[in-house]
Amino acid sequence: DVVMTQTPVSLSLAIGQPASISCKSSQSLLGTSGKTFLNWILQRPGQSPKRLIYQVSKLYSEVPDRFSGSGSETEFTLKISRVEAEDLGVYYCWQGTHFPYTFGAGTKLELK
Amino acid sequence: EVQLVETGGGLVQPGRSLKLSCVASGFTFNNYWMSWTRQAPGKGLEWVASITNSGGSTYYPDSVKGRFTISRDNAQNTLYLQMNGLRSEDTATYYCTRGYYGSFAYWGQGTLVTVSS
Repeated sequence: DVVMTQTPVSLSLAIGQPASISCKSSQSLLGTSGKTFLNWILQRPGQSPKRLIYQVSKLYSEVPDRFSGSGSETEFTLKISRVEAEDLGVYYCWQGTHFPYTFGAGTKLELK
Repeated sequence: EVQLVETGGGLVQPGRSLKLSCVASGFTFNNYWMSWTRQAPGKGLEWVASITNSGGSTYYPDSVKGRFTISRDNAQNTLYLQMNGLRSEDTATYYCTRGYYGSFAYWGQGTLVTVSS
């Protein structure tokens, strides 16, 4: 199985500060289709997960452009240019390239 | 508006069975892969099962293979998860998700399954 390793485990940031979350996979997520199915989701407290980014860097339409995703093969990064209050919660990376699909353990973003 | 509404969760004894349902609306159901993902209380996320848009192929992790069965009724816009031989470690909130290019574009609100005697 592909192991997804997220760092840091938690982040405590003030509103307006940038954030960066790393996600590393134990094997390449580049699929036979030539696409890399690395996704980011956010789970706010008490809510179900919500989509953020798919295929490494593609933002879903409703996601603010302060979010960005980058990376390739086995190393990926989620960045928030300026954290806002609505961004708090747990961020998960997960891969949809190889079965079984696997998730990172999550990074908790708290506000200072 | 896309909606995924899960039902069927509850308290069940170890070894017993339970069937979850997910009614979908707001999109053409038979155009999309569908999946179930679960989250144990206070824990992370675990993919449980996926099914192709036609229902012709299904996929599972080893943790549930042989015990869980995903299926769909495209005429009723409904996804199912039949869970047999339930164990305490199956206790979780189960989310129905809609696929999109190797991602889960939409998540339901979840239904809680508690396996306990």
